[in-house]
Amino acid sequence: AQKVTQAQTEISVVEKEDVTLDCVYETRDTTYYLFWYKQPPSGELVFLIRRNSFDEQNEISGRYSWNFQKSTSSFNFTITASQVVDSAVYFCALSEPGGYQKVTFGTGTKLQVIP
Amino acid sequence: DSGVTQTPKHLITATGQRVTLRCSPRSGDLSVYWYQQSLDQGLQFLIQYYNGEERAKGNILERFSAQQFPDLHSELNLSSLELGDSALYFCASSQTGQPYNSPLHFGNGTRLTVT
Repeated sequence: AQKVTQAQTEISVVEKEDVTLDCVYETRDTTYYLFWYKQPPSGELVFLIRRNSFDEQNEISGRYSWNFQKSTSSFNFTITASQVVDSAVYFCALSEPGGYQKVTFGTGTKLQVIP
Repeated sequence: DSGVTQTPKHLITATGQRVTLRCSPRSGDLSVYWYQQSLDQGLQFLIQYYNGEERAKGNILERFSAQQFPDLHSELNLSSLELGDSALYFCASSQTGQPYNSPLHFGNGTRLTVT
């Protein structure tokens, strides 16, 4: 069975600090997809990134970067120079082939960026 | 703005009642998904429709039902409501319904409070 663990329940950082959100997953499949979503205080879920299991290249998008390591089954998310607008709950998710009914979400990490 | 529209934004009702939640997917998306987010259960997949047909069922109670109409909008019907049904209900859509070529885009959610 697939499982996503976000061990950090809540993180507080001061603005401009870098912060890394951890995500560890378990799956028996060799083909799978990993996602990160952001849920700001307003409640909506915003898609950030999708990565397939065959692409281990790290990705950078502005202040956001993702480190995918199959060897440790981790897909960590780093925010550089954090801003107050980054305050949100961040969810990591895992999808195995066969459709979205198999998407498993982690329990989320609440990030608070203090001005 | 994800392009997925959910109405209403908030709903307060009494136990035993029935409510209908509505979702309009992004333009061009054929697949609609319903998720329930509660504090103790996290994000739980309920049901998926693709082009009007039910494709997958998750942890959806028998008191709940859904459908997708020819214009692709979807409705989630919740009946005989219980206090434990209080949650944030998300609708998401994707172009094809498969994770490897189209990510999920979520609406803003409907917050249901059962009193």
